[in-house]
Amino acid sequence: DVVMTQSPLSLPVTLGQPASISCRSSQSLVHSDGNTYLNWFQQRPGQSPRRLIYKVSNRDSGVPDRFSGSGSGTDFTLKISRVEPEDVGVYYCMQGTHWPLFFGQGTKLEIK
Amino acid sequence: QVQLVESGGGVVQPERSLRLSCAASGFPFSSYAMHWVRQAPGKGLEWVAIISYDGSNKYYADSVKGRFTISRDNSKNTLYLQMSSLTTDDTAMYYCARDSWGSGPACPEYWGQGTQVTVSS
Repeated sequence: DVVMTQSPLSLPVTLGQPASISCRSSQSLVHSDGNTYLNWFQQRPGQSPRRLIYKVSNRDSGVPDRFSGSGSGTDFTLKISRVEPEDVGVYYCMQGTHWPLFFGQGTKLEIK
Repeated sequence: QVQLVESGGGVVQPERSLRLSCAASGFPFSSYAMHWVRQAPGKGLEWVAIISYDGSNKYYADSVKGRFTISRDNSKNTLYLQMSSLTTDDTAMYYCARDSWGSGPACPEYWGQGTQVTVSS
């Protein structure tokens, strides 16, 4: 099984400041088709998850451009350039390359 | 727009069975793979199962393999999760999610609001 490890698990951030979340996989997430299936999700308090980023760096429709994804192989990062109040919640990475699928443990972003 | 509405949750005794449904609308259901993902109270997301667009391929988390069965009825635009031999560890909110593609690597894109399953004697 491919284990996904996120850090930090708790992330206090001042409004307007940047934030960064790391996600590491226990195996390479490069698929045989050449793509890397690493997704990022946001779950606001009391809401269903929402996908932000797919295939490492592709932002979903409606996602603000302050969110960006990067990385390759086993090492990935979600960055928020300037944290806004509506960014409070838990962020999860998820690998879609190998069966069974796994999410990271989640990173709780809060405002300092 | 894409809508996914889960139903069938409730309180069930250990070792009993339960079937969840997910009614889909706003997109060609028969063209997309579908997932079930769960979240225990206060915990993170746990992927449960996926079924390809035509039902020919199914994969499961180790924690549910042999106890849960994912299926779909493309004529009814509905996804199912048959759960048996339930334990208290299966207590969770269960979400259905639509993938970006019909089969192959997974990218859950759209999510429902979830249905709560509580296993308790």
